[in-house]
Amino acid sequence: NAGVTQTPKFQVLKTGQSMTLQCAQDMNHNSMYWYRQDPGMGLRLIYYSASEGTTDKGEVPNGYNVSRLNKREFSLRLESAAPSQTSVYFCASSEFIGQEAFFGQGTRLTVV
Amino acid sequence: QKEVEQNSGPLSVPEGAIASLNCTYSDRVSQSFFWYRQYSGKSPELIMSIYSNGDKEDGRFTAQLNKASQYVSLLIRDSQPSDSATYLCAVFGNQFYFGTGTSLTVIP
Repeated sequence: NAGVTQTPKFQVLKTGQSMTLQCAQDMNHNSMYWYRQDPGMGLRLIYYSASEGTTDKGEVPNGYNVSRLNKREFSLRLESAAPSQTSVYFCASSEFIGQEAFFGQGTRLTVV
Repeated sequence: QKEVEQNSGPLSVPEGAIASLNCTYSDRVSQSFFWYRQYSGKSPELIMSIYSNGDKEDGRFTAQLNKASQYVSLLIRDSQPSDSATYLCAVFGNQFYFGTGTSLTVIP
């Protein structure tokens, strides 16, 4: 039982490049989330999906897009990476929206 | 005003003492409250959830919620060096908000 799995673990991008962060959970959870964590800013919600087929903006959605591919998978896309998007990205899931959320191991992204 | 506020610390306690971590939130309609522990370079790990006023105990951890005062706290009894980490308070109203965390060091 792996829980929440994120790929890749580390990534370096050049400004303007695009990439997709992948997240999959095997806990049969309905809700999934993407956060970024920056020093002094704490965890901030980028997008979330309350259930399969729905997505909603969080606190800091600009520059990102998401896809809830199926119940298990929720991807985060950076269309044109900027240095301000250098951060650690965490995916999380919960059985239902607002309940206990469990986190993946994180993706450390650097945009140069 | 931030949605969730925590004292950033650092908070230092001797081994075996009680560590007290505090959190205030601004949204009165918040429904769910969580404490996470995060070791350096690792992902947040859920410690406790609390949904109604009062105390909730789980082993050495006690979460306390006071919705009237918009205040939630975490007590760690018999603190151990392995408890040294950053503790994150999270609140759910219409979406999740996290505090910036309190750094705790337990001194052997």
